[in-house]
Amino acid sequence: DQQVKQNSPSLSVQEGRISILNCDYTNSMFDYFLWYKKYPAEGPTFLISISSIKDKNEDGRFTVFLNKSAKHLSLHIVPSQPGDSAVYFCAATLPGSARQLTFGSGTQLTVLP
Amino acid sequence: DARVTQTPRHKVTEMGQEVTMRCQPILGHNTVFWYRQTMMQGLELLAYFRNRAPLDDSGMPKDRFSAEMPDATLATLKIQPSEPRDSAVYFCASGLATGGIYEQYFGPGTRLTVT
Repeated sequence: DQQVKQNSPSLSVQEGRISILNCDYTNSMFDYFLWYKKYPAEGPTFLISISSIKDKNEDGRFTVFLNKSAKHLSLHIVPSQPGDSAVYFCAATLPGSARQLTFGSGTQLTVLP
Repeated sequence: DARVTQTPRHKVTEMGQEVTMRCQPILGHNTVFWYRQTMMQGLELLAYFRNRAPLDDSGMPKDRFSAEMPDATLATLKIQPSEPRDSAVYFCASGLATGGIYEQYFGPGTRLTVT
């Protein structure tokens, strides 16, 4: 039972345009959400996060939007750059002592020059 | 520049052999996680620790896998005996799990190939 889903395995975007990566979740108890970026042969790198008490968090070119009623979050990258080409994972965590993460299956973003 | 380190980076072994993977978490982090990434399953959580105490290892096959934290600077994941289906990249991550900060920081991974 996948509690965090990324339904698009891949996305291609032209350099300079907006990239929008989507993520859906089923467990309404998740209270914190994160996005990670992963390059080949490296570990995932933390990108940006959002608490369930907010609906938007922005950090430079990256903005995460949370729609709790739809159980949906999205990551916007503006403007997209070729160096952004990577696999993007969304993750969610429940209240608890260790805060373990549940990951989506990832979306391969390719930014074309 | 604090980061999670993992050794070895690559391991090729024969079926039936013991494999030990090591992780040094970021100093001061109180939670440590082991994940496995395969093509089919994405990032699976295998086991995790808080303040060195194992909290949950239900994600891993207990008959052959074991995870320990002998001290605050070392976490180990052992497979005995290894099987070809264990071939994957194993990641260690550490975090604080407190104060509203729940990010985990990942090591570079150990790529395991069992032949």
